[in-house]
Amino acid sequence: QTVVTQEPSFSVSPGGTVTLTCGLRSGSVSTTYYPTWYQQTPGQAPRTLIYSTNTRSSGVPDRFSGSILGNKAALTITGAQADDESDYYCVLYMGGGIWVFGGGTKLTVL
Amino acid sequence: QVQLVESGGGVVQPGRSLRLSCAASGFIFSTYAMHWVRQAPGKGLEWMSLISYDGSNEYYADSVKGRFTISRDNSKNTLHLQMNSLRAEDTAVYYCARDESIYVVRGVHLWGQGTMVTVSS
Repeated sequence: QTVVTQEPSFSVSPGGTVTLTCGLRSGSVSTTYYPTWYQQTPGQAPRTLIYSTNTRSSGVPDRFSGSILGNKAALTITGAQADDESDYYCVLYMGGGIWVFGGGTKLTVL
Repeated sequence: QVQLVESGGGVVQPGRSLRLSCAASGFIFSTYAMHWVRQAPGKGLEWMSLISYDGSNEYYADSVKGRFTISRDNSKNTLHLQMNSLRAEDTAVYYCARDESIYVVRGVHLWGQGTMVTVSS
């Protein structure tokens, strides 16, 4: 059973806006879960995009933004570019020192 | 610049042990918590373990608790992962990662390039 949920796949047109979400099988995500977002391309290590809900990591373009939308954490890409085509993962702090990744979202830009 | 370099991966038989290391540079190692994260071939990321900045606290995912041990040597800027009783399902790329914040834990932030572990007879 997947505790942290993400859309398995998503598609966006170049220049478009897409919002990926990170939820819980049971309950609501809040800032106390310190949601963090990563981007990973095949064969590469992940890259941190957003941490502590909405803080952009150094060097990350401002077209990437993080928030809480309803009962989920969200990653919004505004003005999607071809090289945004990647896998996106979120991780949540579950308490007691334990972190859990979502299953990841494969984003296609076409 | 900040660098994390993992080593120690390889092919190991089921039931055997392996020790991974991660050499850190470019930051004050002794002030950051450190994590291990793995990724099985074609699968997603799996958080495995966390050690506090001073080594006083360790945490593990259920999948490795009792088999894996995280440790650190702040005098040598090195993180370790001792993996015992290895299983085929432990086959993965293992990433060493630094936390985002000093002294407190705020999540995986800076990543190494990973080392591959293959468990096979």
